[in-house]
Amino acid sequence: KNEVEQSPQNLTAQEGEFITINCSYSVGISALHWLQQHPGGGIVSLFMLSSGKKKHGRLIATINIQEKHSSLHITASHPRDSAVYICAVSGGSNYKLTFGKGTLLTVNP
Amino acid sequence: IAGITQAPTSQILAAGRRMTLRCTQDMRHNAMYWYRQDLGLGLRLIHYSNTAGTTGKGEVPDGYSVSRANTDDFPLTLASAVPSQTSVYFCASSDSGGVTQYFGPGTRLTVL
Repeated sequence: KNEVEQSPQNLTAQEGEFITINCSYSVGISALHWLQQHPGGGIVSLFMLSSGKKKHGRLIATINIQEKHSSLHITASHPRDSAVYICAVSGGSNYKLTFGKGTLLTVNP
Repeated sequence: IAGITQAPTSQILAAGRRMTLRCTQDMRHNAMYWYRQDLGLGLRLIHYSNTAGTTGKGEVPDGYSVSRANTDDFPLTLASAVPSQTSVYFCASSDSGGVTQYFGPGTRLTVL
């Protein structure tokens, strides 16, 4: 069993829809990360959080430490949000990340 | 240079050849990492370095070696490439005060 599980693997939405991507983890962590990768593109860190909620524009990330679960929400989705969204967790002193397999989001106009 | 760079952008390599992927960062980050990304498997850590002069093995280190002679550079070497090393390779860095990682643009390597 992977230490970091994401769902769904693939998600197709219409422009304007509210989107939720989920991440569950099975190990103790110091922080959880959400990253974005556009097709053929590089990887960008969206959020790093260890508790509560963070918001950046139309993106909201939440984490429940007790339930070992995090969600990434996108409000008023747009085709430019189409990308792979990756959840990762870090812990210990080496700052190493353990990644989920990613969620491919496609937002149609 | 702004951030983290990788070279080459892409490479086709014959099996058995030696190859070094280059990674340079100008953020003075202590920690650097090499990942490979494969379809269906996600990102997997190959090697890492917490500070100049030290390196460590990640999840899939076999067939790869790294060195960290200074803060800025973290080259990844394939001593004798095999087709299973066909992948996209990402270098990343983070500072010792936090764990947000900054990724390079990636190197697409094909081993024939």
